[in-house]
Amino acid sequence: AQRVTQPEKLLSVFKGAPVELKCNYSYSGSPELFWYVQYSRQRLQLLLRHISRESIKGFTADLNKGETSFHLKKPFAQEEDSAMYYCAPEGTGANSKLTFGKGITLSVRP
Amino acid sequence: DTGVSQDPRHKITKRGQNVTFRCDPISEHNRLYWYRQTLGQGPEFLTYFQNEAQLEKSRLLSDRFSAERPKGSFSTLEIQRTEQGDSAMYLCASSSTPRSGPYGYTFGSGTRLTVV
Repeated sequence: AQRVTQPEKLLSVFKGAPVELKCNYSYSGSPELFWYVQYSRQRLQLLLRHISRESIKGFTADLNKGETSFHLKKPFAQEEDSAMYYCAPEGTGANSKLTFGKGITLSVRP
Repeated sequence: DTGVSQDPRHKITKRGQNVTFRCDPISEHNRLYWYRQTLGQGPEFLTYFQNEAQLEKSRLLSDRFSAERPKGSFSTLEIQRTEQGDSAMYLCASSSTPRSGPYGYTFGSGTRLTVV
């Protein structure tokens, strides 16, 4: 069965501290991996996708196929990073849709 | 239009009434998805269309739920005989290819349903 796990519900850090938001997945085939972000009172938006290998707003995510993980990292958190973050694999073929984790709230304190 | 539009933004209805939501995707996107999100949870998949064909329906989608995309453009999601458990945010998203195109899925702002 397809499953995505974000083990923590809340991460609270001080500005300038490193951040790692964890995501583990269990999927058949080779899913594509995404991170979506939702800032307060805004719609869900794409933060980054594995295939593009970009760094967006200082965030990066490394796909570890052996551990089936796709953790999101940022070396120095900013207050404007405070938001809800969702890991979302996309399956292939008949499972070609995003499946979201429960999400993690990142709170960056000044 | 540069985004996904959903209407209405909020809907309050009495238990047992029928409600219908509309989603207008990005015009060049051929795939349209419906998700439901409750407090403290990530979005849960309900159904998706490629053009006018409904390709998958989640087990979450009971017989009271029906979705259409008659001309492959906008979509409607109808809930019949609403129950309090239907209270949630209903999200619509669209994408351009089966592997989401260069920008992934684009989400609307959602319709918040409250059943009283």
